[in-house]
Amino acid sequence: EVVLTQSPGTLSLSPGERATLSCRASQSVRNNYLAWYQQKPGQAPRLLIYGASNRATGIPDRFSGSGSGTDFTLTISRLEPEDFAVYYCQQFGYSAEITFGPGTKVDFK
Amino acid sequence: QVQLQESGPGLVKSSQTLSLTCTVSGDSLTRGNYYWSWIRKPAGKGLEWIGRIFTVGTTGYNPSLESRVTISRDTSKNQFSLKLTSVTAADAAVYYCARGRWEFENWGQGILVTVSS
Repeated sequence: EVVLTQSPGTLSLSPGERATLSCRASQSVRNNYLAWYQQKPGQAPRLLIYGASNRATGIPDRFSGSGSGTDFTLTISRLEPEDFAVYYCQQFGYSAEITFGPGTKVDFK
Repeated sequence: QVQLQESGPGLVKSSQTLSLTCTVSGDSLTRGNYYWSWIRKPAGKGLEWIGRIFTVGTTGYNPSLESRVTISRDTSKNQFSLKLTSVTAADAAVYYCARGRWEFENWGQGILVTVSS
């Protein structure tokens, strides 16, 4: 099973600042099948990035994904008030198993 | 626009079986190359994939839950279902159904399941 580790656990920032979130895999992610989600309290997760670097439909261009192999990054170029949430990475593995990272909370400084 | 809606009991007794259904509209369970999955989120914890059913009816499960999980479908109603046996307090969570291939594009709103002793 591919274990995903996210850092930091919590990121305290102000609106307008840049957020950089890390996701590290215990082994190489199959075909860079690495996705990022945003989740707010009481809501379902929302797909932001798929295939490590492709923005999902309707996602603002301030969200970007990068990385390959075992190291991936989600960057929010300038935080908007609505971006304060928990972010999860997720991978689809060689045995078709799916795992999520533990999440990074982006909160107000 | 595909929509998914979870339904089922919000309260299950410990050691009993949790049964949930996901009703899909705007797409067919038998069309395309999508996996239809169940995912859960316990309070204060992260997301956990439970398992999936493919358009041709094949299933796959999280190894940590595989001995207790069954996912099935009713194509006449365009629904797929989750059964989780021998539940404990650790199974209390918000349960989501979702559609996707290598990632989850569409999600239901989620249903809270509480486990009583």
